[in-house]
Amino acid sequence: GAVVSQHPSRVICKSGTSVKIECRSLDFQATTMFWYRQFPKQSLMLMATSNEGSKATYEQGVEKDKFLINHASLTLSTLTVTSAHPEDSSFYICALGGRSEQFFGPGTRLTVL
Amino acid sequence: GENVEQHPSTLSVQEGDSAVIKCTYSDSASNYFPWYKQELGKRPQLIIDIRSNVGEKKDQRIAVTLNKTAKHFSLHITETQPEDSAVYFCAASKTATSGTYKYIFGTGTRLKVLA
Repeated sequence: GAVVSQHPSRVICKSGTSVKIECRSLDFQATTMFWYRQFPKQSLMLMATSNEGSKATYEQGVEKDKFLINHASLTLSTLTVTSAHPEDSSFYICALGGRSEQFFGPGTRLTVL
Repeated sequence: GENVEQHPSTLSVQEGDSAVIKCTYSDSASNYFPWYKQELGKRPQLIIDIRSNVGEKKDQRIAVTLNKTAKHFSLHITETQPEDSAVYFCAASKTATSGTYKYIFGTGTRLKVLA
């Protein structure tokens, strides 16, 4: 399957700051990337689907102005958590969309103090 | 909207025994059903998948069965080993005419294999 990297793997920030998470495809050109959020001991919840060169499609209940997604190239998608608050603390995982399979990144653990 | 239920939420088995995890989906148009294994703090890893035109698929100790009529699919792990201990997620997906798709994940099953 595709090799996916995420950076940073862990980030701790103060409340009110913004955090950018990068998701890179190392060997696969992905027109579609997915962003998930996973709270402790819970399932993966899809936040948004991003398509290269167009606006992301957000799931119901996810604020697009708070979670900014940019998919400017076939190998890079970024998620920016703006004005982060403690309730945004979570594990954020990206995934590349294959024909029907998804290839997951290693995740980013965000802790907002 | 689409919903995927997964049972049980936790499962403990003795090493060498079998483990079965069941999922039910709501959207009859779903056509792809992957199973993921996730260890603590790690990414989900695809362990097996099945498409709607197949009733069963096996890969060594792991098998998946699909009942489209009942909208059930199940993961079967035989001869369990301690390293099988992890959280397992099922998912259901359908491909739209535009080619887009998304996964709906089940709530997860924490499997513990006792040595």
